[in-house]
Amino acid sequence: GENVEQHPSTLSVQEGDSAVIKCTYSDSASNYFPWYKQELGKGPQLIIDIRSNVGEKKDQRIAVTLNKTAKHFSLHITETQPEDSAVYFCAARTSPYKLSFGAGTTVTVRA
Amino acid sequence: EAGVTQFPSHSVIEKGQTVTLRCDPISGHDNLYWYRRVMGKEIKFLLHFVKESKQDESGMPNNRFLAERTGGTYSTLKVQPAELEDSGVYFCASSPLEGGGNEQFFGPGTRLTVL
Repeated sequence: GENVEQHPSTLSVQEGDSAVIKCTYSDSASNYFPWYKQELGKGPQLIIDIRSNVGEKKDQRIAVTLNKTAKHFSLHITETQPEDSAVYFCAARTSPYKLSFGAGTTVTVRA
Repeated sequence: EAGVTQFPSHSVIEKGQTVTLRCDPISGHDNLYWYRRVMGKEIKFLLHFVKESKQDESGMPNNRFLAERTGGTYSTLKVQPAELEDSGVYFCASSPLEGGGNEQFFGPGTRLTVL
């Protein structure tokens, strides 16, 4: 089955700086890569996703890049703000509905 | 529109006891999923319903876990008897049938502690 590795497990950044989270996947058949953000006391919420026929996607301060050859994808958050503090999960989808998640990255934005 | 709801939010039980978790998906969502996160690890897929039918239960750990979705609306996940390693956060998610099941909407989770 699909195996998703996520790094780092924790990330502390100064407010205004950028944050980068990296993931690798094992199954070359994976074709959809969502990123979820989980705030305290809430469930994971989709923040951005990318499909295998696209190399980069941007939405305001967040962007995701995908390298299919190397089987890795990354989340970039620019101009971090305190409300960006949360746990972020990357995921990959091989079968039509089943998501395989990374272990999560706890991001702390220092004021 | 109400999101995915789960009950209870927390459950503490002793080894050997039975626990039933409930999930109410977003109204109209035919796809329903159960996932579990054991402390500090990845969120792992357990199973997938389409309406009342189990489409994929490849992630169910063993036969102590039983999921049902009577009438294709809410779903329950029963653990009987519970073991220490069953502790974790159980998430439910749902998605509409159209759209290829892209975005899955997650509930807040049930934190299960088995002592």
